[in-house]
Amino acid sequence: EAQVTQNPRYLITVTGKKLTVTCSQNMNHEYMSWYRQDPGLGLRQIYYSMNVEVTDKGDVPEGYKVSRKEKRNFPLILESPSPNQTSLYFCASSFLRTGSTRSTDTQYFGPGTRLTVL
Amino acid sequence: AQSVAQPEDQVNVAEGNPLTVKCTYSVSGNPYLFWYVQYPNRGLQFLLKYITGDNLVKGSYGFEAEFNKSQTSFHLKKPSALVSDSALYFCAVRLDTGRRALTFGSGTRLQVQP
Repeated sequence: EAQVTQNPRYLITVTGKKLTVTCSQNMNHEYMSWYRQDPGLGLRQIYYSMNVEVTDKGDVPEGYKVSRKEKRNFPLILESPSPNQTSLYFCASSFLRTGSTRSTDTQYFGPGTRLTVL
Repeated sequence: AQSVAQPEDQVNVAEGNPLTVKCTYSVSGNPYLFWYVQYPNRGLQFLLKYITGDNLVKGSYGFEAEFNKSQTSFHLKKPSALVSDSALYFCAVRLDTGRRALTFGSGTRLQVQP
């Protein structure tokens, strides 16, 4: 089954304790992205990746890191979490047609990770 | 900068009645427009998208949306609502180039009453 998976689904942690949220897709998508969802704000992009070893900042990158060492995986790293990073996090992926700046491909989302930082 | 507005926090309709969830957008360039639905404790599920061509787009579960360039709107519609349509609906826009970030509206909760 084609899907985007995230782990863990739920996490409660304390301020300053490093954590990683994993994201994996089995659709051979080039493009992957992380979003956070907060009430009344919709989803906002944190980081994205166009391909292996190619990552860049989204709208709200502060306090987050990412890596893209393999095509299927795109982990989100919080080196020193703070309470304002309490949120619902979504990973998404899509194709990105090679050789073209245009892409009509739909982004598919994982089930979400609910993070609470105390 | 691109933005999306969903002016209604909640829409209530009776089962069997038509429903409309409103969305307006602002973007400089050619917009790609999307609707996603989120059920409780679930991720976002893709419903439909407008890229180019026919202004009326048909999607999953009987939903459709009409792209109106002059009004910069992309309202979601369904002729006959079901109780199972009750969920949170998000409109999103992105450009056809660049970092392809989806900009989402704040969401509209659809409540369909039996």
